[in-house]
Amino acid sequence: AQKVTQAQTEISVVEKEDVTLDCVYETRDTTYYLFWYKQPPSGELVFLIRRNSFDEQNEISGRYSWNFQKSTSSFNFTITASQVVDSAVYFCALRDVFYGGSQGNLIFGKGTKLSVKP
Amino acid sequence: EPEVTQTPSHQVTQMGQEVILRCVPISNHLYFYWYRQILGQKVEFLVSFYNNEISEKSEIFDDQFSVERPDGSNFTLKIRSTKLEDSAMYFCASSAPGQRNQPQHFGDGTRLSIL
Repeated sequence: AQKVTQAQTEISVVEKEDVTLDCVYETRDTTYYLFWYKQPPSGELVFLIRRNSFDEQNEISGRYSWNFQKSTSSFNFTITASQVVDSAVYFCALRDVFYGGSQGNLIFGKGTKLSVKP
Repeated sequence: EPEVTQTPSHQVTQMGQEVILRCVPISNHLYFYWYRQILGQKVEFLVSFYNNEISEKSEIFDDQFSVERPDGSNFTLKIRSTKLEDSAMYFCASSAPGQRNQPQHFGDGTRLSIL
């Protein structure tokens, strides 16, 4: 069965520290897609990044970077020099098996609540 | 930047009443979804909709739930007879045509409170 595990429930750091959020997934698909979403205190879900299973290049976007390791089924997210505005719940998600007429729904992990203190 | 719009932002309803949650997906998107998030828990898939019919639904999406795209722009979720356990944040999402790597873009959610 498809599953996403975010073992870290809450993380608290001081501003300017680096922090890594872990995500481990399970799937029987040979082709799959992974996503990270941010949910700030205001509650909306903001798309951050997607990764195809056949593209193992890591990605950096400003202070954000993502490390996709197919061998360990992990898709970890690092924030460098964290800021108070990074405080949010971060969700990792896996795109489910394709059915005809659908792109597949997202299976979310339980999320990691990141608190960045000044 | 185009976005998914949901109304109302907060709905308070008596148990047993019907409620309709509304969504306007991004205009060129063809795939539509509803998810829910019970307070403090993870986001759970309810239903997906494509080409004017349900593509997939979860176990949560029982006979009390229905979806509709009545006019080509709105996408609604109806709960026929609400229960206390329906209290949650409901998110609408849409995605563009193409491969499965298309991200789903979410609205700001409707907080549903059942009394």
